[in-house]
Amino acid sequence: AQTVTQSQPEMSVQEAETVTLSCTYDTSENNYYLFWYKQPPSRQMILVIRQEAYKQQNATENRFSVNFQKAAKSFSLKISDSQLGDTAMYFCAFMKPPSGTYKYIFGTGTRLKVLA
Amino acid sequence: DTGVSQNPRHKITKRGQNVTFRCDPISEHNRLYWYRQTLGQGPEFLTYFQNEAQLEKSRLLSDRFSAERPKGSFSTLEIQRTEQGDSAMYLCASTGDSNQPQHFGDGTRLSIL
Repeated sequence: AQTVTQSQPEMSVQEAETVTLSCTYDTSENNYYLFWYKQPPSRQMILVIRQEAYKQQNATENRFSVNFQKAAKSFSLKISDSQLGDTAMYFCAFMKPPSGTYKYIFGTGTRLKVLA
Repeated sequence: DTGVSQNPRHKITKRGQNVTFRCDPISEHNRLYWYRQTLGQGPEFLTYFQNEAQLEKSRLLSDRFSAERPKGSFSTLEIQRTEQGDSAMYLCASTGDSNQPQHFGDGTRLSIL
């Protein structure tokens, strides 16, 4: 069974600085998707970035980028120029197609606080 | 795109009561998921619908839980004879394509007294 591990329960970063959130996963599959979702306090979870395992190039979305190391089964999220609005829980998620359901397996999350 | 809508946002009930939650997915999405999120944990998969068919249920979904998606539109999740351990955030998500990211609702927070 696949598992996702986020080893940093809480992190903080100064506004405008860069922070990296860690995620490791365990799978025997070769083809899968990885996601980072952001869950602000009392608000819905929204997609930050996704990575297809068959793509070697790391995904980027504006200030957000990933370091995808397939052999090491590592998928870290880098947030550059951190903003107060980045304060949230961040969840790493794994999805294996074609699994039929395409359900997500989530890590336990990292609570990020951006300090003014 | 009005997003995934969940009602109610909060539900407080006494142990032993039945509760029902509703999820309205994005209108063109045929895939619908329910997850449960307890304090300090990530969301855990409960069940999945493709259109009106419930295709997978997690072992977390005991026989006190039932989910439906009549006509492949909105979905309901019912919990019978609620227990303290049912206290959690219940999240609904939808997607139209298997390879597209899931869109999540705000969730329904259930508190059992």
